[in-house]
Amino acid sequence: AQSVTQLGSHVSVSEGALVLLRCNYSSSVPPYLFWYVQYPNQGLQLLLKYTTGATLVKGINGFEAEFKKSETSFHLTKPSAHMSDAAEYFCAGTDSWGKLQFGAGTQVVVTP
Amino acid sequence: NAGVTQTPKFRVLKTGQSMTLLCAQDMNHEYMYWYRQDPGMGLRLIHYSVGEGTTAKGEVPDGYNVSRLKKQNFLLGLESAAPSQTSVYFCASSYDTRAQYGYTFGSGTRLTVV
Repeated sequence: AQSVTQLGSHVSVSEGALVLLRCNYSSSVPPYLFWYVQYPNQGLQLLLKYTTGATLVKGINGFEAEFKKSETSFHLTKPSAHMSDAAEYFCAGTDSWGKLQFGAGTQVVVTP
Repeated sequence: NAGVTQTPKFRVLKTGQSMTLLCAQDMNHEYMYWYRQDPGMGLRLIHYSVGEGTTAKGEVPDGYNVSRLKKQNFLLGLESAAPSQTSVYFCASSYDTRAQYGYTFGSGTRLTVV
């Protein structure tokens, strides 16, 4: 069964610094992988997705993620954090039946 | 705007009361899902539907029932609410079974059971 693990439940970054959120998946078959963002009191918004093809995926708001099969990872990065990036971020991957399995989430705090 | 609409947005129930959460989507998606979100646990799938008239259990189905009488609507019912069901509930829909386009989420229902 697919499982998704996010390393670090809370991350604090300074404005302008690199944002790095880690995600690993367990499936032996590369799944479809997603990053979602959740702002306070809102639903989940799709940041980016990996299905097939290019392993470096660019998303909205300057975020990108790289699919590394050898490391079973799909880490999310943004070169320069902005105050508006403060939110909770979820990594998700499809299981054998195509349903999304979510990681526990990483809360990002951006400090001035 | 096209998307997923959940009603109500907030609700407080007393233990033992019942209620129904409504999810409506206008994207003609076949697949619909109900998740609950609890701190530190991400989103866990309660029930899902692969089409009108069909439903299936997810990871945490106990205490919930669902119905999909119309393609655009997916209802989540709590027959006898318990404090453990205090959570934020999200509905989502997807175009295809492999979710290659991801899911579209509603804005959530915050439920408190006292």
